[in-house]
Amino acid sequence: GQQVMQIPQYQHVQEGEDFTTYCNSSTTLSNIQWYKQRPGGHPVFLIQLVKSGEVKKQKRLTFQFGEAKKNSSLHITATQTTDVGTYFCAVHNFNKFYFGSGTKLNVKP
Amino acid sequence: DADVTQTPRNRITKTGKRIMLECSQTKGHDRMYWYRQDPGLGLRLIYYSFDVKDINKGEISDGYSVSRQAQAKFSLSLESAIPNQTALYFCATCRTGGTDTQYFGPGTRLTVL
Repeated sequence: GQQVMQIPQYQHVQEGEDFTTYCNSSTTLSNIQWYKQRPGGHPVFLIQLVKSGEVKKQKRLTFQFGEAKKNSSLHITATQTTDVGTYFCAVHNFNKFYFGSGTKLNVKP
Repeated sequence: DADVTQTPRNRITKTGKRIMLECSQTKGHDRMYWYRQDPGLGLRLIYYSFDVKDINKGEISDGYSVSRQAQAKFSLSLESAIPNQTALYFCATCRTGGTDTQYFGPGTRLTVL
C-alpha cells in the first residue's frame, strides 16, 4: 500500500521557536492531509492539499505540498504550549487513508 | 468529535476472550473506518465500509471482524483477543463526495492480558 515516511519522530522546542515536520513518499501523491492529535485525544483534521506546489496557511501554521507531489511539510511559527501534540500526515488513495507515523511535538514554556 | 462516539472507552480483557468495540455517528456519513494506533506506528487501517452492505479489509485485518449494522453503526470484533492486540482503537467517518475529511471518535483503549 501507499507509504508515507514522516520525520522527525520527536521534536522538543522552547516556546517561541519554530517547528517543522516533513512527510515524504517515493511515489507521486494525489493529495496530502494533516491531522493533529492532542495528548489523550483523537486525531483532528487540519487541512488537505491537492495541487503541486500548493501552500496554505492557518494562522501560525503553514502547509506545503511539493512541486513533484512527493513531499509535504507543516511549519509552525513561534510555537505555543497549545501546539503540543502529535502531527500526522495522511494520504487518501484508492478509498483508503494511509497515515505517517507522526511527529510528537513538545513545547517547553 | 462528539458526533462520533465509541464504547467502551477503556477495556481490559484476557487472552482468548471475545471483544466487541462499537462506534456510532450522527453525522449522516456513509463511510466508516476502524484504525488501531500503536506508539511510533501512526494509525493503521483495519477495516472500512462505504455502506451497510459494503465491508472491506484494510492493512491489518487479520484477527478482526466488523459488522455494519446500520449506516450510523460500525462494530469491530476481536474473536479471540491476544496481547499484541493491545492498542488504542479509533473509529472514523467520512462522506462520499465531500472534502475527504475524516472525523474521529474519542478512541477505545484496549488492554489484553
